[in-house]
Amino acid sequence: DTEVTQTPKHLVMGMTNKKSLKCEQHMGHRAMYWYKQKAKKPPELMFVYSYEKLSINESVPSRFSPECPNSSLLNLHLHALQPEDSALYLCASSQDASSLYEQYFGPGTRLTVT
Amino acid sequence: QKEVEQNSGPLSVPEGAIASLNCTYSDRGSQSFFWYRQYSGKSPELIMFIYSNGDKEDGRFTAQLNKASQYVSLLIRDSQPSDSATYLCAVNENTGNQFYFGTGTSLTVIP
Repeated sequence: DTEVTQTPKHLVMGMTNKKSLKCEQHMGHRAMYWYKQKAKKPPELMFVYSYEKLSINESVPSRFSPECPNSSLLNLHLHALQPEDSALYLCASSQDASSLYEQYFGPGTRLTVT
Repeated sequence: QKEVEQNSGPLSVPEGAIASLNCTYSDRGSQSFFWYRQYSGKSPELIMFIYSNGDKEDGRFTAQLNKASQYVSLLIRDSQPSDSATYLCAVNENTGNQFYFGTGTSLTVIP
């Protein structure tokens, strides 16, 4: 089973709202990732968690706040977003954070900021 | 600056033909190489990965890696309309599990 799940599928939020995106995997993977993807562009890495610790933050604005409650779950807390933050947000996981392992992506959350 | 480059296309091939997708990368220390397929509005789906020089075959797909020339390619034999998608090349450099994605090649298979 190579399934990564994400909720919600779609989210519309105002610029003053607070919302959270959720990601879950049950493959025993120890590395999890958040990516942002705009239309017709490749995914852009936002955060990497390795063994539940944040290992990479790609200079993401503080209005995005990641959290890894346990090895299976990854959240992305959103606050005071801008319209330009509208995008597909992808979660991925891999066996661990070494250079060899493939990443499996969830279906994504389509976020619209109004 | 690590770079992964792909021809953005669009690439059009007739049904049943071989589609050839190419990717070059700048970091000689790169260890592993991945091909993802992404349908419009969907998330990337892993097709193949390759670590060693040479060819790796899986069904209608063949990945080819040449580290000396720093390129990796994907061949799709007997192309089907359902193969129409954007194909993303991803390269993983040797100091951590950080993928560098190419911009993707849009493939259209014409019935």
